[in-house]
Amino acid sequence: NAGVTQTPKFQVLKTGQSMTLQCAQDMNHNSMYWYRQDPGMGLRLIYYSASEGTTDKGEVPNGYNVSRLNKREFSLRLESAAPSQTSVYFCASRRVQDTNYEQYFGPGTRLTVT
Amino acid sequence: KQEVTQIPAALSVPEGENLVLNCSFTDSAIYNLQWFRQDPGKGLTSLLLIQSSQREQTSGRLNASLDKSSGRSTLYIAASQPGDSATYLCAVVVKAAVNKLTFGGGTRVLVKP
Repeated sequence: NAGVTQTPKFQVLKTGQSMTLQCAQDMNHNSMYWYRQDPGMGLRLIYYSASEGTTDKGEVPNGYNVSRLNKREFSLRLESAAPSQTSVYFCASRRVQDTNYEQYFGPGTRLTVT
Repeated sequence: KQEVTQIPAALSVPEGENLVLNCSFTDSAIYNLQWFRQDPGKGLTSLLLIQSSQREQTSGRLNASLDKSSGRSTLYIAASQPGDSATYLCAVVVKAAVNKLTFGGGTRVLVKP
């Protein structure tokens, strides 16, 4: 199993450009999550999808949109990138039957907006 | 709103010394607390997960304790090695929001040879 995979690993955008971050998991997990991590800080939840067909806002959703394409894939879109969105983005997934509520993380996408 | 705090933000110890990392949280109604390791420029590696009904978890040189009533967890790393140098993050899942991990800001550890 590859676990949680993210593409791309690195990206540089100019202000106003758009892009989509891709995330996929092969663990048959129901729930998927997008977090961002800023320097010296822990991760903050942007959006999540509790199950296929549903999405909900997290702590810092402004400037982002998400799509739960199917059970495996959950994408994060920046419609008009801003320097404040320079960050490391992590995707995670969880099996809802897991009473540990443990989330499994991807390797991250490092995004710089100039 | 759950808040998770890790103090100190950075720590430097000589090799061989035991490491003690602290994590505190404001809402004791949690399902679990998890400790992660993050190397510079890398992703998160899960170290230990403690369920709310447990008092501690151990894995090799690592031991994590949980005191829900006081809102504290401590990660002990015995006989530290330079390879233990990394940032350590703690995170909790609260019962009121099972779809959110709330993270602390992390403690950056340097183990000097």
